[in-house]
Amino acid sequence: GAVVSQHPSRVICKSGTSVKIECRSLDFQATTMFWYRQFPKQSLMLMATSNEGSKATYEQGVEKDKFLINHASLTLSTLTVTSAHPEDSSFYICSATLGGSSYEQYFGPGTRLTVT
Amino acid sequence: SQQGEEDPQALSIQEGENATMNCSYKTSINNLQWYRQNSGRGLVHLILIRSNEREKHSGRLRVTLDTSKKSSSLLITASRAADTASYFCAPTSNQAGTALIFGKGTTLSVSS
Repeated sequence: GAVVSQHPSRVICKSGTSVKIECRSLDFQATTMFWYRQFPKQSLMLMATSNEGSKATYEQGVEKDKFLINHASLTLSTLTVTSAHPEDSSFYICSATLGGSSYEQYFGPGTRLTVT
Repeated sequence: SQQGEEDPQALSIQEGENATMNCSYKTSINNLQWYRQNSGRGLVHLILIRSNEREKHSGRLRVTLDTSKKSSSLLITASRAADTASYFCAPTSNQAGTALIFGKGTTLSVSS
């Protein structure tokens, strides 16, 4: 089946620093990947759509200069949280589709970010 | 895609019992998907039912779709402790490859 990985699974950083999270499609090519954020006991909130070779599309209210997304290859998208603050602490999840007529999405295991 | 609304928000049952959760949506769809999320993990795709289907089975899962009522239900039969998770529906009215929007989900607790 289609597998999506994320790295790291957990990261703790100090306030003001930047953190990069990687999302990889391991056995398929993904022209489009999605980034979500989930706060405790809440649903997933779509942050942005990451398109290979072009700029990401951000949801309303998501600062593109704070959450930098790069989708440089068909198997890798990265999310960089710049100048992180404690309120950025959250669970970040990526997903990808097989493309074509496939509606199913394949999710990574998530990255737990804690900003101290 | 549009956001579905799951009901109930929380469900507690004993092992062996059946669990039923519902999803309502607002506008017409191409299909509807159900996903499971174990605590602290990503989502796992369970099943997709197309708008022209009324019922679909996958192992212990049974999904129904009533487009006239704009609702779907997910039935888990003979539940196990391992079924403890949050369940989300994702009604899709856009073309394939667009983002999914999730509601609050149903948190299922199965005790042994």
